[in-house]
Amino acid sequence: DIQMTQSPSSLSASVGDRVTITCQASQDISKYLNWYQQKPGKAPKLLIYDASNLQTGVPSRFSGSGSGTDFTLIISSLQPEDIATYFCQQYDSVPSYTFGQGTKLEIK
Amino acid sequence: EVRLVQSGAEVKEPGESLRISCKGFGYSFTNYWIHWVRQMPGKGLEWMGMIYPGDSDTRYSPSFQGQVTISADKSTSIAFLQWSSLKASDTAMYYCARRVVPAPMRDWFDPWGQGTLVIVSS
Repeated sequence: DIQMTQSPSSLSASVGDRVTITCQASQDISKYLNWYQQKPGKAPKLLIYDASNLQTGVPSRFSGSGSGTDFTLIISSLQPEDIATYFCQQYDSVPSYTFGQGTKLEIK
Repeated sequence: EVRLVQSGAEVKEPGESLRISCKGFGYSFTNYWIHWVRQMPGKGLEWMGMIYPGDSDTRYSPSFQGQVTISADKSTSIAFLQWSSLKASDTAMYYCARRVVPAPMRDWFDPWGQGTLVIVSS
């Protein structure tokens, strides 16, 4: 099984800060990685697909990059509505999908 | 608008059976796989399995094979997740999600249902 490891597990930042979340795969997954945002008490929502493509309607302050084993989600200027847990997910080994353990983002 | 609407919260005792549902709206239900994902309290997301309602082709995560059954009724656009004998460790939020594959090797979950909370307690 492909393991996905996110860091940090939790993060506290101020409004306006640049926030970086990383996701590492246990083996090369090319660009077969998605990011999801889960706000408190809500279902996850697709944020970024294919490692770097913004889902329709997602603010441009979000961006994704990476390939192979190392991936990054960046929020260029943190807003209060970005408080959520973020999950990466690989689809290199379909029909086996795995998620990272999540990064909980809080406002300082 | 494409959406998935799940059945309501359930409180069950250990050993009981349960079936929860996920109904699709706004798209051709038979043409998209439906995933089931578990989220235990305060934990991350675990992929359980998926079904193609068009022909009921079903795939399971090895972790959930034999523990749950995934099915679908294409005439009503509903997918199901069921247990024959619940355990306390099945307490979790369960989400369904549509599998989107717009091209080979492009694959994501969108949208997600609102979730069904299952509590198993004596």
